Amino acid sequence: EAGVAQSPRYKIIEKRQSVAFWCNPISGHATLYWYQQILGQGPKLLIQFQNNGVVDDSQLPKDRFSAERLKGVDSTLKIQPAKLEDSAVYLCASSFWRGGREQYFGPGTRLTVT
Amino acid sequence: DQQVKQNSPSLSVQEGRISILNCDYTNSMFDYFLWYKKYPAEGPTFLISISSIKDKNEDGRFTVFLNKSAKHLSLHIVPSQPGDSAVYFCAAVLSGNTPLVFGKGTRLSVIA
Repeated sequence: EAGVAQSPRYKIIEKRQSVAFWCNPISGHATLYWYQQILGQGPKLLIQFQNNGVVDDSQLPKDRFSAERLKGVDSTLKIQPAKLEDSAVYLCASSFWRGGREQYFGPGTRLTVT
Repeated sequence: DQQVKQNSPSLSVQEGRISILNCDYTNSMFDYFLWYKKYPAEGPTFLISISSIKDKNEDGRFTVFLNKSAKHLSLHIVPSQPGDSAVYFCAAVLSGNTPLVFGKGTRLSVIA
């Protein structure tokens, strides 16, 4: 069974530029999550999808971050414009059913904003 | 406001001995707890979990203990192996449709 796929693995951009990350969850997983992990911290949820609907985006900085999950499968997370404090690893995870429990993570995208 | 706390940033253990990683939480409404292991440049990997109705769950060399009255859980690895060297995250979830809340992680080094 293929795991959660993410791309790119690494990205370096200048502040005020835009960037997009892509995630393909495990086949059949209806719930998809985007987490932000700042160095030295645990992952923090940005947004949770159930199929193609948003369940929780309360911690997503909506003035600069946006995410979509078209057709309930792949998802894209965008930052526009990026700030220095957005430097982090962006992790995508998926699970079978709503409510967290065992989530399966992709390798992450390490973003550096200079 | 850290709801899940891992107060030891790092732990060093000799190969073959027991590793004990600790986690405290503040929200008594958490009803499920998980441990994840993370290697460099990889995403976290699910390791073991425990429901709040249990006090122990075992899977091979890994055992998780839950003390609800103390709001404390621990992960025991016996015997520790060099391949266990990684960052371990404790996570908790409320009942229903809520996200995982992670601690900051503990870096375990198993020395051969």
